[in-house]
Order: sequence, then C-alpha cells, then structure tokens
Amino acid sequence: GQQLNQSPQSMFIQEGEDVSMNCTSSSIFNTWLWYKQDPGEGPVLLIALYKAGELTSNGRLTAQFGITRKDSFLNISASIPSDVGIYFCAGPNYTGANSKLTFGKGITLSVRP
Amino acid sequence: NAGVMQNPRHLVRRRGQEARLRCSPMKGHSHVYWYRQLPEEGLKFMVYLQKENIIDESGMPKERFSAEFPKEGPSILRIQQVVRGDSAAYFCASSLGRGEADTQYFGPGTRLTVL
Repeated sequence: GQQLNQSPQSMFIQEGEDVSMNCTSSSIFNTWLWYKQDPGEGPVLLIALYKAGELTSNGRLTAQFGITRKDSFLNISASIPSDVGIYFCAGPNYTGANSKLTFGKGITLSVRP
Repeated sequence: NAGVMQNPRHLVRRRGQEARLRCSPMKGHSHVYWYRQLPEEGLKFMVYLQKENIIDESGMPKERFSAEFPKEGPSILRIQQVVRGDSAAYFCASSLGRGEADTQYFGPGTRLTVL
C-alpha cells in the first residue's frame, strides 16, 4: 500500500527559530495535506496542497507540493511555544468517491522557551 | 457551529467486554471515516461510511469490529470482546464528500484502554 515517510521522529528547536519538515512517498499523491495534533486532541488541518509545485502559506506556515508529486515540505517560521505538537503529512487514496487518508508517522516538535 | 463530536472521550473496558464509540459528524456532512491511532504512530484508516451504507471497510479487522451510520443518529464503531491490543485512540472524521479535494474534519477522539 501507499506509505508516507516522515523523519526524524522528534525535533527540538529554540523559540523564535524556523523549522522545516519533510514528507516523502514512493508513490504519487495528487493532494498533500499537513495536520497538527495537540496532546489529547484530534488532527487539525493546517494546509492543503492540490497542484504539483504549489507553494501555500497560512500565517507563519508555508508548505510546498513537490514537482514529482512524491514529496512535500512544511516550514514554520519564528516558532512559538504553542507550535508544540505532532505534525503529520497525509494524502488521500482516492478511489472513486472514497478519499480515505494515508498518514505519515508524524514528527513531534518541541519548542524551548 | 459545532465540529465533529465523539463520545466518550475516554473508555475503559476489561478484556471480553464490548466497546461502543460514537461519532456525530459536522452539520451537513454525510460522509464519515474512522481511523485508529496506536501510540507513536500515525492514523490508520479503518472504515468509510455514508448514511446507512458502508462504502469501504478495507481497514477493519475481520472479526469483532463493526461500524454503522444510521439514517438518524451518530455513527457507531463497535468492538466486541475487546483485547489488550485494541487499546488505542479512535478518531472519526466527517466530510461533504467532494471527491479528491474533499476535506476531512476530525473529532477529538475516543481513547480506549483495555485492562
């Protein structure tokens, strides 16, 4: 089946620093999604990317859909303590009307004040 | 404007008991997905339902697990005769069903602990 790879498993940064996370796949995705999960909560959609090469921003977040459609990255600029959480990339395995999502294992981000 | 609701948020069961997890989709959404998350893992797809129909259950274990989404009321994920390996967080997501550009909105999850 389709798999999304995220590494490293954890990242530690200082408040105010920028951080970049990567997500790769062995197969093509037509949509890339980035979610954030806070402890004890469900994933919240941060950014959705629909076209190869697309660069999209949402406040301090920027994400790009790779040209090959096999990778994406998420940048967080000027990190703040509330950026702490788990960041997942995901892509829909679209078959007809079914858009079930495949998730990466996530990257746990810690921000030191 | 309520989001996706799930209850209970935490559920403790002993081995052999039944677990019932409920999901109320966002208003106007008729598509529901269930996912399972094991510790330090990503979410894994279980089942996709539309009102009164199971569309894709390819991620569901073959035994003990079932799901429904009746015409009235919430979607239910039912686990019979629970075992310790069923301990996980179970999330549902709902959507409008707009094909490949569909956006799924997740609930806060139910954390199941099997003693």
